[in-house]
Amino acid sequence: DGGITQSPKYLFRKEGQNVTLSCEQNLNHDAMYWYRQDPGQGLRLIYYSQIVNDFQKGDIAEGYSVSREKKESFPLTVTSAQKNPTAFYLCASTIGTVNTEAFFGQGTRLTVV
Amino acid sequence: KQEVTQIPAALSVPEGENLVLNCSFTDSAIYNLQWFRQDPGKGLTSLLLIQSSQREQTSGRLNASLDKSSGRSTLYIAASQPGDSATYLCAVETSGSRLTFGEGTQLTVNP
Repeated sequence: DGGITQSPKYLFRKEGQNVTLSCEQNLNHDAMYWYRQDPGQGLRLIYYSQIVNDFQKGDIAEGYSVSREKKESFPLTVTSAQKNPTAFYLCASTIGTVNTEAFFGQGTRLTVV
Repeated sequence: KQEVTQIPAALSVPEGENLVLNCSFTDSAIYNLQWFRQDPGKGLTSLLLIQSSQREQTSGRLNASLDKSSGRSTLYIAASQPGDSATYLCAVETSGSRLTFGEGTQLTVNP
């Protein structure tokens, strides 16, 4: 079955650590996205990539980094510079770069301990 | 800056009732509007996508309408069931393939 796989489902980070969230898709979609979801707030865009080896900052990119070395993969690193990383992180993809339906993974819940 | 608002924030109805969820957006320059469903602790499932040139889309018991000029969309759920209980999110696509989301409506359908 085609879809988007995020791993791990739960992740715990100590203060000062960098952690990487995985997102893999087998839908042959061109564009991939990372969103953050906090209680009482809508999803907010962190980074997105419309093509391999290229990505753009979203609305809340500070403290995060990404790479897009393969079409299928778009990992997100939460760095120690992100002061409030505890949140639910969602990865999405679209077949094209404009006006197409978005498909989402099942999310990774990151908690700082 | 595009802003999306969903009303009500929460809704509780008895099984079998027809209901309407509302979504409004401030900038009418959109490519499309999408409605999603989210179960607790899960990702988003796409329900309906309405292109900016369309007025409505239907899928089963769901019907979504779009009035781009007034910045409004509604999601109509017919004959609600307990399995419809979830959070419903709307999102608009603006330039650069960016989605702007509302905060969602948490729906509870009581048996």
